[in-house]
Amino acid sequence: GENVGLHLPTLSVQEGDNSIINCAYSNSASDYFIWYKQESGKGPQFIIDIRSNMDKRQGQRVTVLLNKTVKHLSLQIAATQPGDSAVYFCAQGSNYKLTFGKGTLLTVNP
Amino acid sequence: EAGVVQSPRYKIIEKKQPVAFWCNPISGHNTLYWYLQNLGQGPELLIRYENEEAVDDSQLPKDRFSAERLKGVDSTLKIQPAELGDSAVYLCASSLGTGGDEKLFFGSGTQLSVL
Repeated sequence: GENVGLHLPTLSVQEGDNSIINCAYSNSASDYFIWYKQESGKGPQFIIDIRSNMDKRQGQRVTVLLNKTVKHLSLQIAATQPGDSAVYFCAQGSNYKLTFGKGTLLTVNP
Repeated sequence: EAGVVQSPRYKIIEKKQPVAFWCNPISGHNTLYWYLQNLGQGPELLIRYENEEAVDDSQLPKDRFSAERLKGVDSTLKIQPAELGDSAVYLCASSLGTGGDEKLFFGSGTQLSVL
């Protein structure tokens, strides 16, 4: 079956630093990948997505990198702010659904 | 534009009691999903609807869980009877297309506690 997991369950950074959250996936047939942010008591919120015909995509302060050779996905957050503190999930799309990983808790220290 | 709306936000029940969750997706979104999220875990798909048809319910425990989306708009997820292990957050999501290659929009979820 599909398996999407994260290398680090927690990540603590200083305000202003860059953050990198990593994710490994197992289903090489997936052609769509997405990152969500989930704050306490809220539903997952879309951050950025990428399709398999790309290896990098940038948004506002965020960048997603896709390495299909090693089946690895990462989320980079530039100039991390206290409001970025949340749990971050990667997910891969196939069979008309998204399959989520376990999540990484990002804590931003002032 | 309103997002995905879920109610109630919280529900506390005793085991063996029934419980129901309601979801109203984003207007115009044909596909609706119910996900289960255990503490510290990522969401897991329970059921996916395309309009009023349940096209993927392979992960729904059908002995106690049921769902409906009668008019292809809002949806209800029911558990009867609830067990202690059902305590979790139940998330509803919707998407414009058939899913798998597009982002899902999530509601805030219903946090269920079974005592």
